[in-house]
Amino acid sequence: QSALTQPASVSGSPGQSITISCTGTSSDVGGYNYVSWYQQHPGKAPKLMIYDVSDRPSGVSNRFSGSKSGNTASLTISGLQAEDEADYYCSSYTTSSTLAFGGGTKVTVL
Amino acid sequence: EVQLLESGGGLVQPGGSLRLACEASGFTFNSYAVRWVRQAPGKGLEWVSVTSASGGSTYYADSVKGRFTISRDNSKNTLYLQMNSLRAEDTAVYYCAKERRLGEFSFVGPDYWGQGTLVTVSS
Repeated sequence: QSALTQPASVSGSPGQSITISCTGTSSDVGGYNYVSWYQQHPGKAPKLMIYDVSDRPSGVSNRFSGSKSGNTASLTISGLQAEDEADYYCSSYTTSSTLAFGGGTKVTVL
Repeated sequence: EVQLLESGGGLVQPGGSLRLACEASGFTFNSYAVRWVRQAPGKGLEWVSVTSASGGSTYYADSVKGRFTISRDNSKNTLYLQMNSLRAEDTAVYYCAKERRLGEFSFVGPDYWGQGTLVTVSS
């Protein structure tokens, strides 16, 4: 099963916007609108932030938004806050009924 | 409130076996697929296995196929992972996760995760 490609790290100052990319293939990201994004703080379980490319679960700040173009999905965090510092993972349903994860992106708030 | 509580982790020697359990509450367990995801120390998330809502269909990552077996007991709201022939590279925190969409074969990704149980394979 293939992994999705994410940048290892992204940083920004408080109040700025940052975008994390997640690149796959036509067999996963490009083929289905089942991309999810998870936030993970150290020692904690992942938390769902975005599902179905751009939908937010109730309780998740609207500073988090998702999009997709071709085989690449993106997570944008606007109005960056100190509490947003965490690891972020994308996932996508695949043609083999499996789930592919990205390698994770460490977000640092400067 | 959805809750997933894993248990059964610990230290095991290479070649040994371990059985993980995940007790679920707060949702209709037999209406959702559930999966195991692991995270090696300092590494990313890796999907391990998933079972359909009834337990009739199961899927495995290539890295564990033939060694791990996923199962569920819907009468006890519990998910299991039997791990045999364990290797050092199986060392990880193992998370139980509930699939987000209702349905027998809904494998689009989880919404709720347990806190995880640590499995360490070492002599």
